[in-house]
Amino acid sequence: GENVEQHPSTLSVQEGDSAVIKCTYSDSASNYFPWYKQELGKRPQLIIDIRSNVGEKKDQRIAVTLNKTAKHFSLHITETQPEDSAVYFCAAGGTSYGKLTFGQGTILTVHP
Amino acid sequence: GAVVSQHPSRVICKSGTSVKIECRSLDFQATTMFWYRQFPKQSLMLMATSNEGSKATYEQGVEKDKFLINHASLTLSTLTVTSAHPEDSSFYICSAIGRNYGYTFGSGTRLTVV
Repeated sequence: GENVEQHPSTLSVQEGDSAVIKCTYSDSASNYFPWYKQELGKRPQLIIDIRSNVGEKKDQRIAVTLNKTAKHFSLHITETQPEDSAVYFCAAGGTSYGKLTFGQGTILTVHP
Repeated sequence: GAVVSQHPSRVICKSGTSVKIECRSLDFQATTMFWYRQFPKQSLMLMATSNEGSKATYEQGVEKDKFLINHASLTLSTLTVTSAHPEDSSFYICSAIGRNYGYTFGSGTRLTVV
């Protein structure tokens, strides 16, 4: 089955800096890669996603890059703000909205 | 947008009793429901996948007789934790998909077994 590795497990940055979280996956059949933000005790919130036919996608301060050959994808947050502090999860899934396999999570702390 | 209502949000039960968690899709038909468990400071681990009208498919290591999943209609799926024990205490969350609707998460249920 699919295996998703996520790094780093914790990330601390100063407000205004950039943050990068990386994930690798094992199943070459995976073609959907979402990123979620989860606050304590809440449901995961989709912040951006990318499909395998695209190498990069951007939405304001958030961007995701995908390297299918190397089987890794990354989340980039620019101009970080304290409200960006949360746990971020990457995930990988197959065709037709199959099951998602989640990474281990990254605790992002943005210091004012 | 798509909404999945999950109840209860919190439940405390005694060891040995059963607890039922419900997920309802409010404005779309959920053809597939995924059930996840999340222990503190850990990731979401898929427990099972259920398609409407079919038996659930359980992930390796998840006891199907302990975690009963019912998906009898396109708007309701339930997870029953039978004979709960303290080690079953966790955050349980559902995620539904339907035609033209991607992964929509419920709000989660915090189960504490005492």
